[in-house]
Amino acid sequence: DGGITQSPKYLFRKEGQNVTLSCEQNLNHDAMYWYRQDPGQGLRLIYYSQIVNDFQKGDIAEGYSVSREKKESFPLTVTSAQKNPTAFYLCASSSKRLAGGYTGELFFGEGSRLTVL
Amino acid sequence: KNQVEQSPQSLIILEGKNCTLQCNYTVSPFSNLRWYKQDTGRGPVSLTIMTFSENTKSNGRYTATLDADTKQSSLHITASQLSDSASYICVVSPLSGGYNKLIFGAGTRLAVHP
Repeated sequence: DGGITQSPKYLFRKEGQNVTLSCEQNLNHDAMYWYRQDPGQGLRLIYYSQIVNDFQKGDIAEGYSVSREKKESFPLTVTSAQKNPTAFYLCASSSKRLAGGYTGELFFGEGSRLTVL
Repeated sequence: KNQVEQSPQSLIILEGKNCTLQCNYTVSPFSNLRWYKQDTGRGPVSLTIMTFSENTKSNGRYTATLDADTKQSSLHITASQLSDSASYICVVSPLSGGYNKLIFGAGTRLAVHP
């Protein structure tokens, strides 16, 4: 079945550690996104990529890094520089970029919950 | 500043009853408005997508309406089921502004009780 797979589902991090969240899609989508979800707030964009080997910062990129070496994969690294990393992280993809009135679907993965110990 | 406000924050209804969730936005001009359902601990799933020229869109027991003049949208759930217990998120896409400027509301948490 086509979809987006995020792993791990739950992750615990100690202070000062970097952790990497995996996101893989088999929808043949060009565009991929990482969002952060905190209680009582709307989703906030961390990074996005419109094409392989290219990515752009979103609204809250500080303390995060990404790579896009393959069309199917868009891993997110939460670095020790991220001051408050405990959150629910969502990966998403779309067939085209979300601009200029794009009305196609934005598909989400099941999310990864990161907790700092 | 572009904003999307949802109300109520949370809602409890009895199984079989109808309910309506509200979304007010200040995004202008906008391209489309989306409603998502998010089960606890899961990713959001699309319910409806409406362009600025559409007034209503249905998906089974879910009906979304849009009034572009008043910048309001509502999601009506008919004959609620226990499985409708979830958060419902309103998302507005500006017509311009560059790459990926979706604006997400904070959601309405719905609990359907037997």
